[in-house]
Amino acid sequence: GAGVSQSPSNKVTEKGKDVELRCDPISGHTALYWYRQSLGQGLEFLIYFQGNSAPDKSGLPSDRFSAERTGGSVSTLTIQRTQQEDSAVYLCASSQPTSGASFRDEQFFGPGTRLTVL
Amino acid sequence: AQKITQTQPGMFVQEKEAVTLDCTYDTSDPSYGLFWYKQPSSGEMIFLIYQGSYDQQNATEGRYSLNFQKARKSANLVISASQLGDSAMYFCAIRSTDSWGKLQFGAGTQVVVTP
Repeated sequence: GAGVSQSPSNKVTEKGKDVELRCDPISGHTALYWYRQSLGQGLEFLIYFQGNSAPDKSGLPSDRFSAERTGGSVSTLTIQRTQQEDSAVYLCASSQPTSGASFRDEQFFGPGTRLTVL
Repeated sequence: AQKITQTQPGMFVQEKEAVTLDCTYDTSDPSYGLFWYKQPSSGEMIFLIYQGSYDQQNATEGRYSLNFQKARKSANLVISASQLGDSAMYFCAIRSTDSWGKLQFGAGTQVVVTP
């Protein structure tokens, strides 16, 4: 079946503009995660969705960042008034939590959106 | 709070040889899972192997094995018989009960396999 898809693959914007990044998870996956990867760095957690609710928003770096998920499927990450430090690859992942106290649920990652803020 | 440390920023390894990538972690949670992901230059994150904190045996997946030493809080990845296609960035990550499923990643280790 289809994997996680993200759009656009690349986005170049000017400082101060708003951007929207989209993530289509694997069909049926209830858990969705957004991560950010700055140049040469590891992945930094941003936000987690279970269904349409976001029980963990602890990684959002500022109130310029927001995300929503509708219909338990597509998610949009919005960055308002972009700054140059927002330049990074934004990765989305989805998983289907299994029953029981297991951490094994594999997160399937999308190809990412490379955001460049000029 | 959790933390993952990967102290090797980069490694060269010859084709067909084995390589060990170091990963140490810090968590106060008694239950957790450890993951290794591979990120080739194309950018996608590829899951390699998983180790649960209560698993009795070290995890193995094909040429990948995990040297899990719980008391030392280390989870080193061993890649046997390296191939040119193994050249990539490798990330260690941890997930625990207080993390809502999110993964905490290390900084990664760049592996270059030479002929």
